[in-house]
Amino acid sequence: GAVVSQHPSRVICKSGTSVKIECRSLDFQATTMFWYRQFPKKSLMLMATSNEGSKATYEQGVEKDKFLINHASLTLSTLTVTSAHPEDSSFYICSARGLIQGANYGYTFGSGTRLTVV
Amino acid sequence: GQQLNQSPQSMFIQEGEDVSMNCTSSSIFNTWLWYKQDPGEGPVLLIALYKAGELTSNGRLTAQFGITRKDSFLNISASIPSDVGIYFCAGRNQAGTALIFGKGTTLSVSS
Repeated sequence: GAVVSQHPSRVICKSGTSVKIECRSLDFQATTMFWYRQFPKKSLMLMATSNEGSKATYEQGVEKDKFLINHASLTLSTLTVTSAHPEDSSFYICSARGLIQGANYGYTFGSGTRLTVV
Repeated sequence: GQQLNQSPQSMFIQEGEDVSMNCTSSSIFNTWLWYKQDPGEGPVLLIALYKAGELTSNGRLTAQFGITRKDSFLNISASIPSDVGIYFCAGRNQAGTALIFGKGTTLSVSS
C-alpha cells in the first residue's frame, strides 16, 4: 500500500532557530501534499496545500513566511518552521495524495512530528 | 478552519459491546473517510466512502455514506481492548482537495 515517511518523529529546538520536517511518499508519486497541525486532544487543522512544482496555498491565519513549504519533487515535501517560538510547539502531520498505477489512491498520512520549542 | 460535527466526543464501553459514532456537515461532501489515531502517531485509514448511500465493511467496522451526502457513521462491533484510540471522520467537499476533519471520538474499552 501507499506509504508516507515523515521525519523527524520528534525534535526539540531552541527559540529563534528553524526546524525542517520532511515528508516522503515511498511508493507513489504525491501530486499534492497537505500539512496539518494538531494540538493535544484536538483535531487536525489544515495549514497548507502544496502541489508539486507550485507555491503552497495556505489556510487563513497561517503565516506563510513562518511556515515555509517546499514541494520540489513528486516524492518530497518539506515544512520549515522558521524562527520557532514556544507557541509553535505542536504535532505536525503531513498527508500525501497521488496516483499509483494510474488510479487515484487517496490520502495517506505520515506518522507525525512532535515539535517542542524551548 | 472548517470542521465537521462529530459525536460523541468520548465513549467508555465494555469489551464486547458495539459502538457507533457519526459525523455531519452543513455542506455536501463527495468523499467520507474514517481514521483511527493512536497517541503520537499519524491517522490510519479505516474505511473510505465515495458514493452516497455506500455501505462498506472492514472486519468489525462498518461505515456508511449518508444519502444526503452530509453525514456518515462508523460502527464497531464486538469491541476489543485494541480498539482504544481516537477516531476521526474526514471529508472532502466539492470545493477543495484537502480533507476536513471532525473533532474526534475518544474510545475507551474496559475488559
